[in-house]
Amino acid sequence: DAGITQSPRYKITETGRQVTLMCHQTWSHSYMFWYRQDLGHGLRLIYYSAAADITDKGEVPDGYVVSRSKTENFPLTLESATRSQTSVYFCASSESRDRAPSSGNTIYFGEGSWLTVV
Amino acid sequence: RKEVEQDPGPFNVPEGATVAFNCTYSNSASQSFFWYRQDCRKEPKLLMSVYSSGNEDGRFTAQLNRASQYISLLIRDSKLSDSATYLCVVNIDDDYKLSFGAGTTVTVRA
Repeated sequence: DAGITQSPRYKITETGRQVTLMCHQTWSHSYMFWYRQDLGHGLRLIYYSAAADITDKGEVPDGYVVSRSKTENFPLTLESATRSQTSVYFCASSESRDRAPSSGNTIYFGEGSWLTVV
Repeated sequence: RKEVEQDPGPFNVPEGATVAFNCTYSNSASQSFFWYRQDCRKEPKLLMSVYSSGNEDGRFTAQLNRASQYISLLIRDSKLSDSATYLCVVNIDDDYKLSFGAGTTVTVRA
């Protein structure tokens, strides 16, 4: 049971470079999410996707691009990385279109991608 | 004002002790409430949902106070393995958008 996997787990990149963080889930979950976690902040939603080819902005989408051509993949791209995008990025998925966590549908997180922009 | 606020702690408690902490939320329309656990450098994992009537899961008890807009988590008979950061999570629109608190760190010492 591979679950949800992220790659790379650790990345150092330079300001201005394009970086893509990959996320793959094996459960065929409908919903997928990208969060970032910074010290002193809770997880903040960057983008989410309700299904293949459907994406929507979260709380902090600026500087990020996502796509979802296949249900199982949800890559996050930083088009021109900035130091403020140094963070831990978590991909997550959830199984149902029903009333999500309120009906017990858990959101499952990947192990995280530690990104440093220098 | 943050949608979800937590005392960051840390709460340092001896094994066997009881520890409790709260989380406040700003939006009175919030509908669903959860506690997630996050170990150091790991991903968050659902600990328990919080129901209006309060609920228990083993040594963990969660309470919801809608009038004062806070939820609480109580851990009885603390174990070393309970050391973690506990994230308060609120769902406002009853879709998939969750608001996370920054977390309360609990350290249980031998």
